[in-house]
Order: sequence, then C-alpha cells, then structure tokens
Amino acid sequence: QSVLTQPPSVSGAPGQRVTISCTGSRSNIGTGQDVQWYQQFPGTAPKLLIYGDSDRPSGVPDRFSGSKSGTSASLAITGLQAEDEADYYCQSYDSTLSARVFGGGTKLTVL
Amino acid sequence: QVQLQESGPGLVKPSETLSLTCSVSGGSISEYFWSWIRQPPGKGLEWIAYIHYSGNTNYNPSLKSRVTISMDTSKNQFSLKLSSVTAADTAVYYCARGVLTDMDVWGKGTSVTVSS
Repeated sequence: QSVLTQPPSVSGAPGQRVTISCTGSRSNIGTGQDVQWYQQFPGTAPKLLIYGDSDRPSGVPDRFSGSKSGTSASLAITGLQAEDEADYYCQSYDSTLSARVFGGGTKLTVL
Repeated sequence: QVQLQESGPGLVKPSETLSLTCSVSGGSISEYFWSWIRQPPGKGLEWIAYIHYSGNTNYNPSLKSRVTISMDTSKNQFSLKLSSVTAADTAVYYCARGVLTDMDVWGKGTSVTVSS
C-alpha cells in the first residue's frame, strides 16, 4: 500500500479534461512538501512532468498542470490526446519516514 | 545533455547481493542528488536511496538494512548494492539525477531477476 493514494485508472475522450488525484497526509503533502508528477509509457523510464507542485520542465506542454491543497495534489490534463495514454505517478517526501514516496500510479486511458 | 546508463547482472541468485552501477555522461556527478528507483513487474515505482555529491545519503526505511549506495567521482559513476535478495527484489532498476525533491533525468532501466 502506497503512502500516497492515487486512483488506479482514469479515462477521457480526446479533447476533454481529466484530473488525477494524489492524496497524502500531514507527514508529506500536508507539511508543504513539494509534489512531483511523472509520466511513464510501457517499457520506458518515467519522465518528470511536473515539479514543485505546479512547475513544468522545459518541453512539457502547458496542457499539463499541477496543483496542491491541504494533504492532496492533482494533475490536470486539458485537450486530451491519444498520445497522453500512459501511467502517471505522484511523488513527494515523507518527513515521518524520512523518505521519498510515490503514489501507486494511475493508468490514463484515452477513449 | 546528461545521460545515465545502468549496468549490472540481469540474474542474481536468492540470498546473494545485487550490484548495479549507473554511469553518468554529459555532466558531472559532483553536483545534484543521485538516486536508485525500482519497479517490480506490473507494479508501481519504489524509491530506494539517494546520494549527494557531498556524501550525504538517504535510504528507504523498508530497504535500509540491505542497501548501500556509493559514488565514484573519478569514474563519474554511482552504485547500488542490495544484499540478501529474494524474488521480491525482481524489478527494473532505474538510476536518476535530481535535486532534493525531484528526479529530472532517468536512465533507461535495467531488468534484474532473482532466481536460482
């Protein structure tokens, strides 16, 4: 069981907006620890998508955005495209565990 | 453009020690944080450990008793040793570069199977 909780799957039609939630606790997201999001296609390494809750590395489309409130964070994808179909992971730091922690991952299906 | 490449045996026997190396090219290992992450087949990501060029290390508490991370600045490499492996340690192992909070450059990963 992951320290950060994500829905196993989400889906949306092309062009739609989808959100993926990441629920933590007062020992990680709730203490203001930065949240990161990674995108992973089958058989490939994860790619940093969002860092510092809401910042995008160079080259990441602005269709991807991150937010945080309280003990939860969210990744939003607007203008959904077939190429967005992938697994998405949130990641933060847990001060009780003194460790980086990941969510269990969410599989995004583009209908 | 910094690139990371994992290397090591793809098959390790139960109870033995898994040893992996990450070679860094296109940039110096003498800055940033350097991490190991693994992903069992069909499962999610698990952070294992990181090392900072200053020598500071941090380990996943669930693996701490079996893990050692180290770096060799002369070779621009860092390494992972995981002792007393079992089938549960079968996974794709990734090395990654980052800052304290995130990991922005990843290697392609290396598959390790624990089996006799």
